[in-house]
Amino acid sequence: DTGVSQDPRHKITKRGQNVTFRCDPISEHNRLYWYRQTLGQGPEFLTYFQNEAQLEKSRLLSDRFSAERPKGSFSTLEIQRTEQGDSAMYLCASSSTGRIEAFFGQGTRLTVV
Amino acid sequence: AQSVTQLGSHVSVSEGALVLLRCNYSSSVPPYLFWYVQYPNQGLQLLLKYTTGATLVKGINGFEAEFKKSETSFHLTKPSAHMSDAAEYFCAVSSYGNNRLAFGKGNQVVVIP
Repeated sequence: DTGVSQDPRHKITKRGQNVTFRCDPISEHNRLYWYRQTLGQGPEFLTYFQNEAQLEKSRLLSDRFSAERPKGSFSTLEIQRTEQGDSAMYLCASSSTGRIEAFFGQGTRLTVV
Repeated sequence: AQSVTQLGSHVSVSEGALVLLRCNYSSSVPPYLFWYVQYPNQGLQLLLKYTTGATLVKGINGFEAEFKKSETSFHLTKPSAHMSDAAEYFCAVSSYGNNRLAFGKGNQVVVIP
C-alpha cells in the first residue's frame, strides 16, 4: 500500500482566515480518522468516518471545524475563522473493518499567526 | 472513558542500555493496547499492539511489550538502545467497538552515545 497521504504538510495562516486540509487514506480502507496533536501532547481524537458517513465527533470539534468524506474516498478538514489556539499538527489515519490498528499520515502542521 | 498515563516526558538512555517506557491504562472493558513511535515532523508508526491472547507481544525494531491486567500496564522495552531509537513514543488504548484511540502524553527518548 502507498500509505496515508496528507496535504499540505505545513500551513501558515493569519488569524481569522479559513484553511482546508486534505487526507487520502490507504485505498482499500473504509475507515478514516482525524486527530489533533499540540506541542508536548499526544494526539486527540477529532472525528471518525466509515465510508462517507461521519459517525463520531469529539467535543473538541467546535462549530468552526467541519470534516467531509465525499464518496468515501479522500477527506477534507476545514477550519473557519482560525484562532491561535488552532495551531497544531493535524493527523489523519485510516483502517479497514476487521483490522484493529490504524495507519497514520505524516500530518499537516498548522501555524496561526 | 478510556485513558493512558505515561510518566516522565523525557527519558535518557545510554546506547546499548535497556529501554523501558511505562504505560498504565484505564478501561472498563477489555482493552486493545498500542505503542506508536513518532520521529520529528512525521506521523505515527505502529510499533506493536495487543488485542487478545499472548500477553507478551513483539514488535518492530526489537521492541516488545507485556500486557499485565492485574497492574493495568503495558510497558515497552528494548534490550539494547540504538541511536536510531531517539524519537517520541506514545501508548494508546481502545477497545472492541470503540473507534477512537486515547493516547498518553508521550515519552521523548534521547539516546546518549
